[in-house]
Amino acid sequence: EVQLVESGGGLVKPGGSLRLSCAASGFSFSNSWMNWVRQAPGKGLECVGRIASRAHGGTTDYAAPVKGRFTISRDDSKDTLYLQMNSLKTEDTAVYYCARDVLDFWGQGTLVTVSS
Amino acid sequence: DVVMTQSPLSLTVTPGQPASISCRSSQSLVHRDGNTYLNWFHQRPGQSPRRLIYEVSNRDSGVPDRFSGSGAGTDFTLKISRVEPEDVGVYYCVQRTYWPRAFGQGTKVEI
Repeated sequence: EVQLVESGGGLVKPGGSLRLSCAASGFSFSNSWMNWVRQAPGKGLECVGRIASRAHGGTTDYAAPVKGRFTISRDDSKDTLYLQMNSLKTEDTAVYYCARDVLDFWGQGTLVTVSS
Repeated sequence: DVVMTQSPLSLTVTPGQPASISCRSSQSLVHRDGNTYLNWFHQRPGQSPRRLIYEVSNRDSGVPDRFSGSGAGTDFTLKISRVEPEDVGVYYCVQRTYWPRAFGQGTKVEI
């Protein structure tokens, strides 16, 4: 059974940092491109970024609102995806989901609240 | 960037009746590999999105056959042949042909 379990969310002040994790199981994580998608309270879905598999260079792509502030990485030895979020803004408040790049499986999400 | 536009944004339906949601992209979603990467998702309150349809018209495993997807190029449609009470929630289209991925605004379906 495919499982994606996010963790690391919480309350952080504007300008602060937070690192999210996504533990994967039930599929070949190392061969999978992975995404982060977020959803602000009461709003729609917005892609954050993605990371290629190591075989495809492990390259990353980011959406414009987070480029230069967020960094996606992966540890294939731990089947874990990460999202390092720096210089957080109030508009980054959202539930953050990890998902495979084909968007077939999603985690349950972790809430990040940026507020003073 | 590609912009996805859904309509209507809200839909009230009667159980047993059909429903249809439109999704239009600002440019063709045909990938250079010939595939069209247009997905449909359903999200119930407090839950993660669930993929229903991939590559325009392919139903995911376990998705009832009352759900169908169609379209080509820039115009796509999700149809529910007979709405059930459990179909309430928000439906999103998303394109995976280009980066960044682009989601539609969502269509809220109520009974």
